[in-house]
Amino acid sequence: SQQGEEDPQALSIQEGENATMNCSYKTSINNLQWYRQNSGRGLVHLILIRSNEREKHSGRLRVTLDTSKKSSSLLITASRAADTASYFCATVQMDSSYKLIFGSGTRLLVRP
Amino acid sequence: DAMVIQNPRYQVTQFGKPVTLSCSQTLNHNVMYWYQQKSSQAPKLLFHYYDKDFNNEADTPDNFQSRRPNTSFCFLDIRSPGLGDAAMYLCATSRVAQRDQPQHFGDGTRLSIL
Repeated sequence: SQQGEEDPQALSIQEGENATMNCSYKTSINNLQWYRQNSGRGLVHLILIRSNEREKHSGRLRVTLDTSKKSSSLLITASRAADTASYFCATVQMDSSYKLIFGSGTRLLVRP
Repeated sequence: DAMVIQNPRYQVTQFGKPVTLSCSQTLNHNVMYWYQQKSSQAPKLLFHYYDKDFNNEADTPDNFQSRRPNTSFCFLDIRSPGLGDAAMYLCATSRVAQRDQPQHFGDGTRLSIL
């Protein structure tokens, strides 16, 4: 079953701009992960943030987690056309073992 | 490079005709997963293997079966495909069955039903 929703469903920006995607979830989590999916391809793991962490960086990616609001955001700075993809958040719940439950995804288009 | 490989990338079958999708991995990971992803939707976990232990999701139809003959290979069998089974099928692996393990995905098999 789907854990939560992502917002916006679709986002179109100009190359060089920042892109922010939001993810909300419903139950307590152990960690939250972000994945990227290029059209017609598999998912690629981007970053993992644990429930006791508030912010994490990886290159041009910045992820925040607010467990009180059950939400996370992914910021991509200085976007490139190659960042065009769908982005999914996925949670590992506290009461499950290790299964990922994916959000609905945000489709990002970066215009050259 | 170590990776997860799915064959074929595209599969066409007839309504009701059994079909098998395959996944192999060179990562030597203990856990292998099968997901179904329909257009513009999130991946949905069908089942997974932790070593030889099979774990089925409660809402996975009986029409879907899986086999893992060894560490490297895992198969998805659809016994009698219906039109609603047309989707992308993704195989993924993780090193161990722990919560902080990222999953590594293959590029999927897109299944069409005629």
